[in-house]
Amino acid sequence: KAGVTQTPRYLIKTRGQQVTLSCSPISGHRSVSWYQQTPGQGLQFLFEYFSETQRNKGNFPGRFSGRQFSNSRSEMNVSTLELGDSALYLCASSWGRTGDTEAFFGQGTRLTVV
Amino acid sequence: GENVEQHPSTLSVQEGDSAVIKCTYSDSASNYFPWYKQELGKRPQLIIDIRSNVGEKKDQRIAVTLNKTAKHFSLHITETQPEDSAVYFCAAQEASSYKLIFGSGTRLLVRP
Repeated sequence: KAGVTQTPRYLIKTRGQQVTLSCSPISGHRSVSWYQQTPGQGLQFLFEYFSETQRNKGNFPGRFSGRQFSNSRSEMNVSTLELGDSALYLCASSWGRTGDTEAFFGQGTRLTVV
Repeated sequence: GENVEQHPSTLSVQEGDSAVIKCTYSDSASNYFPWYKQELGKRPQLIIDIRSNVGEKKDQRIAVTLNKTAKHFSLHITETQPEDSAVYFCAAQEASSYKLIFGSGTRLLVRP
């Protein structure tokens, strides 16, 4: 069965631009979480979507937003990019149910802001 | 909310020796504790997990122990091999939200 797929794998953007990242979860999984990974900060939780609703949110500014579609695919958007947004963005999918919450990661999108 | 601390940040062992990585969590209601291995340039991979109703779980050379009273859990790797070299992350899941909170990671180097 196919794993979690993220597109694109690499992106280079200029400060002030916006970017949209995509995540296709494992078939049947309804929960998609997004993380920002940087060398100094580890894996920071951005938000989680479950059945098209944002169920959890981390401590990131409003420039970071997301959504989930009826097929559970999720997108993350970052507006007004800053140099500090350069990072690896990972999504993870799971069933999202009590007792059934193993999360599987995609390969990530490496975003470079110049 | 949940907070997870992980130690050590780096660990170097000789091939064949054991490695132990420790994590503490703050929310006593957290009930799920996975461990992930991330090799250079690759995605984090789930290697073992434990739920709060279990004290220990083993899978070949890897074991995880959980002490709910002390709110800490540990990863034990025995007979380490060079391919065990990677960054290992622990995580705790908030019972109320399903949110996974990660530790800061441990870079393990196994010297041949």
